[in-house]
Amino acid sequence: TQLLEQSPQFLSIQEGENLTVYCNSSSVFSSLQWYRQEPGEGPVLLVTVVTGGEVKKLKRLTFQFGDARKDSSLHITAAQPGDTGLYLCAGADSWGKLQFGAGTQVVVTP
Amino acid sequence: EAQVTQNPRYLITVTGKKLTVTCSQNMNHEYMSWYRQDPGLGLRQIYYSMNVEVTDKGDVPEGYKVSRKEKRNFPLILESPSPNQTSLYFCASRSTGTLAYEQYFGPGTRLTVT
Repeated sequence: TQLLEQSPQFLSIQEGENLTVYCNSSSVFSSLQWYRQEPGEGPVLLVTVVTGGEVKKLKRLTFQFGDARKDSSLHITAAQPGDTGLYLCAGADSWGKLQFGAGTQVVVTP
Repeated sequence: EAQVTQNPRYLITVTGKKLTVTCSQNMNHEYMSWYRQDPGLGLRQIYYSMNVEVTDKGDVPEGYKVSRKEKRNFPLILESPSPNQTSLYFCASRSTGTLAYEQYFGPGTRLTVT
């Protein structure tokens, strides 16, 4: 059973469109991280959110941590082909153990 | 350049033939771990190490061994590989001095056991 549920599993959009990926759990996390993974490479950290309700922006990417620290979302504005990749969320418990979601494959076509 | 390296990147082997995947980090991180990645299951932790000579089981440790004799190295050992261990493996490291627990991943090792 996946403790962290990511949705959708797959997302295909045209360049310039917006998209949102969701990460939900029944567990409370000390922090939540978002990674992007490209084919043939390991995941690369995009952002870490720590405080409930926290919003962080990274250029066209906006990350939000839920008030109860159980869920998070990633929103991409005006997606570009370079945003294509597997997006993974990972929640950390108080011991630092990470629980990963299954990932959302995003494909942005020109 | 700060990095985690793994070798080999690709490996095809037969059932029962012992193999070792090496992992090394140059960031002086205390914490290192191994994950396997399978479609639809995400990343699952195999083993982790909080520091030299300290290792512990993750979520899917069966069929694997690890050792941590030096801070920078954390090899993954498959004593008798089986086809269900065919997977993509990642080594990762992080500092224990941060509350945010960011992990840095290696490039991955794709293992096929026939």
